[in-house]
This record gives sequence, structure tokens and C-alpha cells, in this order.
Amino acid sequence: GAVVSQHPSRVICKSGTSVKIECRSLDFQATTMFWYRQFPKQSLMLMATSNEGSKATYEQGVEKDKFLINHASLTLSTLTVTSAHPEDSSFYICSARRTGGAPYEQYFGPGTRLTVT
Amino acid sequence: GQNIDQPTEMTATEGAIVQINCTYQTSGFNGLFWYQQHAGEAPTFLSYNVLDGLEEKGRFSSFLSRSKGYSYLLLKELQMKDSASYLCAVRDSNNAGNMLTFGGGTRLMVKP
Repeated sequence: GAVVSQHPSRVICKSGTSVKIECRSLDFQATTMFWYRQFPKQSLMLMATSNEGSKATYEQGVEKDKFLINHASLTLSTLTVTSAHPEDSSFYICSARRTGGAPYEQYFGPGTRLTVT
Repeated sequence: GQNIDQPTEMTATEGAIVQINCTYQTSGFNGLFWYQQHAGEAPTFLSYNVLDGLEEKGRFSSFLSRSKGYSYLLLKELQMKDSASYLCAVRDSNNAGNMLTFGGGTRLMVKP
């Protein structure tokens, strides 16, 4: 149980285009999901907290108009990188917190490696 | 906000014991987590401490001292597959959504 999937696992796009990344909790409901970004040999940096049915909360320095987050259901959150640039190339990881679960029940997806050329 | 510090890199020998330390500063401590992350993969949950003391789970143990803002992850009987990054993360109840803030991670290299 407690599986989180991400799609796609890898994506290469051209500069200026938009890319959508999906995060799904497969066997549990997740009112809250988190989006992280990780550059090589660095730790996870929280980008935003996604709450089902409401607007996401973005961390300082993260452009909400560039990184669009939609959490339309209890099992799906999407991150759209708009007008991607090479500096957006990174490993994007989502995590989902089980609704009503214990504090440690936050499960990570397998990540999406984005390369912008 | 939180300051979470852990060593950048550590090296240990197969079969040995290694202790990875983590110190933190937070205003509303609400739990400390340890994750293991292999290169190019997502983090996997190892342990959760919210009260002082030692939590043991097989070859891995985690310790917490809230008064000192200190935790460590202890890995026993090291195996080559334990070569990975180990991430310390703290939850602060003052943060919206009870989000986790991660330290920089400790890259552990296990040598034969």
C-alpha cells in the first residue's frame, strides 16, 4: 500500500514550451501533496504545498505563475512548468500525505527528471 | 524557519557502524524524519522521532534529543547497498501544511 506515482518519469522539452507532471496517490487519499525540486548533489527544496480544492502555497522565491499547481482531486496533483528554460532542468519529486494518517505517512513519488534544451 | 545541519559526506567500511548526525533549530518542533535516497531515485522513509530517545528498526536506529536540537541515524552491519544519501528532515507545526524541511543530506560511501 501507500504508492505514489509520477508521470512522466523523464521528459525532454525545448526551451519556451510547457511541461505537465502528474502526481497520483494510487491507494490512498491525499488532501495535501508537496512538490520538491532537487538539483544534482543537493537536497530536496520544497517548491509548494498543494491542497485539494484550494490554491497552492508557494515557497519564497518560487514563481507561482511559472510553476502552476492544480490539486483537483484527493488523488491527483499536477505541476506545470510553463515557458521552460534550461535552468528549470532538475529532478522534480512529489510527496503525498495520507489524509487522516500518522505524521510519518508522507510518501514520495519516484520523481520526474526534466531536461530543457 | 529551520536550520538543519548534517555532514556533507561520510565514508565507512562494510560491516562497520556509522553514525550520521543532524542538528536543527526550529520554533515549533513536530517531528524529525530520516530518509534514504539512492542517486536518481526518490527518498524512502527510514524513521520518525517525535519524543526523546532511541528508535530501533533492524540495522537502523534513530535518536532524538529535543532539548539539544539533535538527532542521529545509526547504521549497523553496513552493507554496500547502504551507499546512498541520508536526509534529515524536520516538521515545524508553525509551517502551513506541516511541511517537511530537509537538511542538505549526507552522502555515505561504504567501501569493501
